[in-house]
Amino acid sequence: ILNVEQSPQSLHVQEGDSTNFTCSFPSSNFYALHWYRWETAKSPEALFVMTLNGDEKKKGRISATLNTKEGYSYLYIKGSQPEDSATYLCAYGSSNTGKLIFGQGTTLQVKP
Amino acid sequence: KAGVTQTPRYLIKTRGQQVTLSCSPISGHRSVSWYQQTPGQGLQFLFEYFSETQRNKGNFPGRFSGRQFSNSRSEMNVSTLELGDSALYLCASSSNTGNGREQYFGPGTRLTVT
Repeated sequence: ILNVEQSPQSLHVQEGDSTNFTCSFPSSNFYALHWYRWETAKSPEALFVMTLNGDEKKKGRISATLNTKEGYSYLYIKGSQPEDSATYLCAYGSSNTGKLIFGQGTTLQVKP
Repeated sequence: KAGVTQTPRYLIKTRGQQVTLSCSPISGHRSVSWYQQTPGQGLQFLFEYFSETQRNKGNFPGRFSGRQFSNSRSEMNVSTLELGDSALYLCASSSNTGNGREQYFGPGTRLTVT
């Protein structure tokens, strides 16, 4: 059974704080790791697709790193803003299947 | 470009009935994946269609089926509905298949089974 774990489950921070979350996935048969942001009443939005060990991706104040050997990825948000409040999902894709396995998500709430 | 659209947005059905949900991908995208989201289980992969062929299937019973048309629009069907089928059903389109594909999600169909 392939398991994707995200921690923490939820997070409350003040505006301006920097924060990070973790996604753990099986290190064998790795193909890709995805990050999505899902705001309430909206569709999940793709943030990053990462395929190479050591990959680092950045979009504005959000960045992500990938370690395929040990099976984890970090998502960082610098200077959190209220509009960053959302659930952040990671999804793991193995080389053996074409299906993505999602973690349960980390729900971030940023207080003004 | 128009985004991914799903119809209907909300649906209420009775146990034992069947339901068909529709997904129109972004123009030019040939891959459509379907997901079920429930509070306890998170997002779970149902199946992926690419160029009218089912490429992958998740661990769901045979009551869940789908198809894709030549214009890449996709439908999923659930027969003999059970209370546990109440969920948000999301589809996502991609220009390509495979696990490296970037997916664009639709707004979802909220199905309630009573």
